[in-house]
Formats: sequence, C-alpha cells, structure tokens
Amino acid sequence: AQSVTQLGSHVSVSEGALVLLRCNYSSSVPPYLFWYVQYPNQGLQLLLKYTSAATLVKGINGFEAEFKKSETSFHLTKPSAHMSDAAEYFCAVSDQTGNQFYFGTGTSLTVIP
Amino acid sequence: EPEVTQTPSHQVTQMGQEVILRCVPISNHLYFYWYRQILGQKVEFLVSFYNNEISEKSEIFDDQFSVERPDGSNFTLKIRSTKLEDSAMYFCASRDGHLTNEKLFFGSGTQLSVL
Repeated sequence: AQSVTQLGSHVSVSEGALVLLRCNYSSSVPPYLFWYVQYPNQGLQLLLKYTSAATLVKGINGFEAEFKKSETSFHLTKPSAHMSDAAEYFCAVSDQTGNQFYFGTGTSLTVIP
Repeated sequence: EPEVTQTPSHQVTQMGQEVILRCVPISNHLYFYWYRQILGQKVEFLVSFYNNEISEKSEIFDDQFSVERPDGSNFTLKIRSTKLEDSAMYFCASRDGHLTNEKLFFGSGTQLSVL
C-alpha cells in the first residue's frame, strides 16, 4: 500500500524567503514520487518527479526536492519565494506500474509581499 | 505544451440524474485516468483505462460509475444516478506510452455540484 502525508495544509512565507513544503511517503515497494502544483481554476501541473535516479531532483520554476529514504521524505523547497508561487501543492506517490497515483491532501502556499 | 481538455468546467445536476463528464486526452497518449477531489480533501484515484478497458479502479468507482472511449478521442465518465456526495472536482488525466514514470497530464477539471 502507498500513501503520502503532507504536513501543514497552509504555509505562508514572505516574498524572497525560503519555501519548504513537507511530504512523507509510505510505500512497500520502491516509490516514484511527484510534486504537482495547482493554480486557481487550473489543472494539476507537474513540478518535478523522482524515479530512482538522482536523489536531488530539480523541477520547474526554481523548485527542487530531495528524496531521503531513511526519513521516507520528499520535501519541496525553493530558495526564494515569488508572488507567482502562490498555489496549492500536492505530493503524490505511485508504484512502478504507474497505474495509480496517490495524492496528499495538499498544501496551500501563500506568499506575503 | 499539449493539454488535456475537460468539458464542462462546471456542471450542476439534481440528485438521481445521470451526468457525463467529458475529456479529450492528449492525442498520442495511451493511458487515461479519472480522479476526483472533494472540497477540502485529497485528490482520489477513481479509474485507469488502457487498450479500451478498465485496467484498475478504486473502491469509489462502484456500479454507478462507468467510463468509455467512444470515438478514439473522447474519454468520458458517466455517473448513472448522482448522489449528493458525488459533488466534487473531477480531473481527467492521460499519459504517454509504456514507461511507468511518464508524467500525468491533467485537465483543468469539471466541478460537479449535485443538488
């Protein structure tokens, strides 16, 4: 069975500050891990994914995430928040069939000017 | 970038009515999915579809739900007799090919409101 837990349903940061969105996963098999972003009135867009290659994954818009097996974590970071980063962020896990993606409950990011 | 298109963006229906949510996946994609998100809750897997048949479905996807790819371009989700608890945002997604790490492309969703 697979699942993800996102700690913090709402995160607020000041513009220019570090963004840290937390995700912990549970998987009985080597997981594939993803971060998706949802802007208002839009669908889910892939930010980045981990598929058993490099543990530090760089994505679009300056985001990156590090897979830490010992901590079963896949936290999303960005060194300097921008106003346009305000959105809902979802962590997801799938097994290697890719047939099902299990999403977290999402974290709403607010960027304060 | 190619897009998955969903129509309508918002559908209102009476309890007990049938609804059909429509999706046009990306044209060369082979795997199709429906997910839903009840307000304030996580995005939940409903069903996956490949080679004109359901490959996997969740417990949510009971006999009231069905999917179809009627014409090679559309991918529809039908709810035969809607219930209040079916109110949610429904997302269609598709992915390419046989690599299991191919990313999902999501549509912008259909907000279903059951009154």
